[in-house]
Amino acid sequence: QVQLQESGPGLLKPSQTLSLTCTVSGGSISSGSPFWSWIRQHPEKGLEWIGFIYYSGTSDHNPSLKSRVTMSLDPSKNRFSLRLTSVTAADTAVYFCARGRSNTEGDLHFDFWGQGTLVTVSS
Amino acid sequence: QSVLTQPPSVSAAPGQRVTIACSGDTSNIGRNFVSWYQHLPGTAPKLLIYDNDQRPSGISDRFSGSKSGTSATLGITGLQTGDEADYYCGTWDLNLPASFVFGTGTKVTVL
Repeated sequence: QVQLQESGPGLLKPSQTLSLTCTVSGGSISSGSPFWSWIRQHPEKGLEWIGFIYYSGTSDHNPSLKSRVTMSLDPSKNRFSLRLTSVTAADTAVYFCARGRSNTEGDLHFDFWGQGTLVTVSS
Repeated sequence: QSVLTQPPSVSAAPGQRVTIACSGDTSNIGRNFVSWYQHLPGTAPKLLIYDNDQRPSGISDRFSGSKSGTSATLGITGLQTGDEADYYCGTWDLNLPASFVFGTGTKVTVL
């Protein structure tokens, strides 16, 4: 059973950079062609896809986040990371990491998720 | 604001059946596969349905999914108190630039 666990600072000031890490256990991040993903949930709101990094290193992200998002893989530690620059209060949310899978074109689904970590942006 | 619309809430008594609609358009549901997630606040969301109507191993057959045109539906039969949660649909949206989108979410209440 694959398990994911987010870690990172819970409180940031505006304009700082959010850095989160997702540690994967129960499976290698390099096998099975997964899309290692980040998803967030603003307070009292729904889910928002942030982006993914494919096991090969290519990535894609929500265009609404423009160029603020960077994702990376660390196979040696079986983990992947998210960086979001120039944060504002609008980035306050619970951040989830998840494993994405795709069986065919037009398909992406998230079969394992972390518990989520709350990140608050406040001066 | 999501491009996939769900009813804010649905409710039913234990043992009853509920359905949750997810309405989109030809740039998302109409062209791509839909997945469904159950989320109890404070916990990890759980994949219930993928590829429109497929259940992952370990998911009860009380949960079912379907898709027709630009809408998808999640059905829950034999409603249980443990089913009380938020439910989200999700799929790719191909409006340039493409992005994965989740539905607005539906709160299921067991009366």
